[in-house]
Amino acid sequence: AQTVTQSQPEMSVQEAETVTLSCTYDTSESDYYLFWYKQPPSRQMILVIRQEAYKQQNATENRFSVNFQKAAKSFSLKISDSQLGDAAMYFCAYRSAIGGGADGLTFGKGTHLIIQP
Amino acid sequence: DGGITQSPKYLFRKEGQNVTLSCEQNLNHDAMYWYRQDPGQGLRLIYYSQIVNDFQKGDIAEGYSVSREKKESFPLTVTSAQKNPTAFYLCASRDWAGPAYEQYFGPGTRLTVT
Repeated sequence: AQTVTQSQPEMSVQEAETVTLSCTYDTSESDYYLFWYKQPPSRQMILVIRQEAYKQQNATENRFSVNFQKAAKSFSLKISDSQLGDAAMYFCAYRSAIGGGADGLTFGKGTHLIIQP
Repeated sequence: DGGITQSPKYLFRKEGQNVTLSCEQNLNHDAMYWYRQDPGQGLRLIYYSQIVNDFQKGDIAEGYSVSREKKESFPLTVTSAQKNPTAFYLCASRDWAGPAYEQYFGPGTRLTVT
């Protein structure tokens, strides 16, 4: 079974600064997908960014980028120019590519990101 | 607008009663999922369904049941056998024709059992 570990229960950053959230995972599979989801106080889950394991290039979405280290099984999220609206819980998630990956996501326990004005 | 609807937003029940949480999607997605979220635990998979009339247990299925009679609907019943039913429940769906497609989440239902 796959596991996802987020070792930082809470992080704090000054507005406009850069912050990196850590995620490690354990799997014996070679083909899979990794995701970062944001959950603001409304509790609506919002996809921030995704990475296909077969792609060496790190994914980027505007101010959000990842550092994907497949050999180290590490998938960190970097948020540049932090904004007050970035304050939320952030979850790292894994999905197998086997069988179309229809069997759901495995989530980490989350990191609570605080943005200091 | 396309999306996932979960109702109600808040649900209260007495211990020993079964309760059914609603999940409806108009995204024409084949796969649907139920997750449970507890403080400090992240999301854990309860059940999932890839097609109508078929579903599989997730990691924490004990005390729960589901049905998938229609493509757009995937209700979750929390039975009296579930030892700690108070939690936040999230429904999700995905078009599993493409493995990279994201899961879309509903707004969730907060269930409190006393």
